[in-house]
Amino acid sequence: DTGVSQDPRHKITKRGQNVTFRCDPISEHNRLYWYRQTLGQGPEFLTYFQNEAQLEKSRLLSDRFSAERPKGSFSTLEIQRTEQGDSAMYLCASSFLGRTGANVLTFGAGSRLTVL
Amino acid sequence: RKEVEQDPGPFNVPEGATVAFNCTYSNSASQSFFWYRQDCRKEPKLLMSVYSSGNEDGRFTAQLNRASQYISLLIRDSKLSDSATYLCVVNDRAGGSYIPTFGRGTSLIVHP
Repeated sequence: DTGVSQDPRHKITKRGQNVTFRCDPISEHNRLYWYRQTLGQGPEFLTYFQNEAQLEKSRLLSDRFSAERPKGSFSTLEIQRTEQGDSAMYLCASSFLGRTGANVLTFGAGSRLTVL
Repeated sequence: RKEVEQDPGPFNVPEGATVAFNCTYSNSASQSFFWYRQDCRKEPKLLMSVYSSGNEDGRFTAQLNRASQYISLLIRDSKLSDSATYLCVVNDRAGGSYIPTFGRGTSLIVHP
């Protein structure tokens, strides 16, 4: 399978616990994005990487959120001291930004977080 | 004010109908525009890019109006399988980068 894969698909945790999500992008893609989506809303941008460099972070991303992309391959998104408001679907997407400038995203199936 | 605005619907139409969705964006410097489709409890998938001259893909037609800052999606001869949420996406300038920014989506229900 050469698509974007995310793990775990579902995570239930208690408030205050830390959680980590992993994303494996399409190998030829140089950009990797994290989005969060809640019911009835579109995906909300969190952060993105070009290769291993984290280039943008949303102002909505609190200090409890951290993302890494070591060696420019897979990425992890960690949420520390989870709150009930963190309950959402966390979507990873990758793209190849070439000379045409088109930036078409391919999404993974998402990691659904429920904070009790 | 959200950068990308869509009417959430739902649009409830019979099979065979023609339906149109609009999306407005606030940043005139936005580049690259897309429509994505999202089925219930699934990830968004690219439906089509939107080009300045307008473009068509089968029953789907997308148009861009830069002067008025909106894009549209027209679906002709609706099928039951077209039922989904349609997400408008604009590459919006944020800091030093262009970030794919999503609207909240428009829900389409096609009934027999």
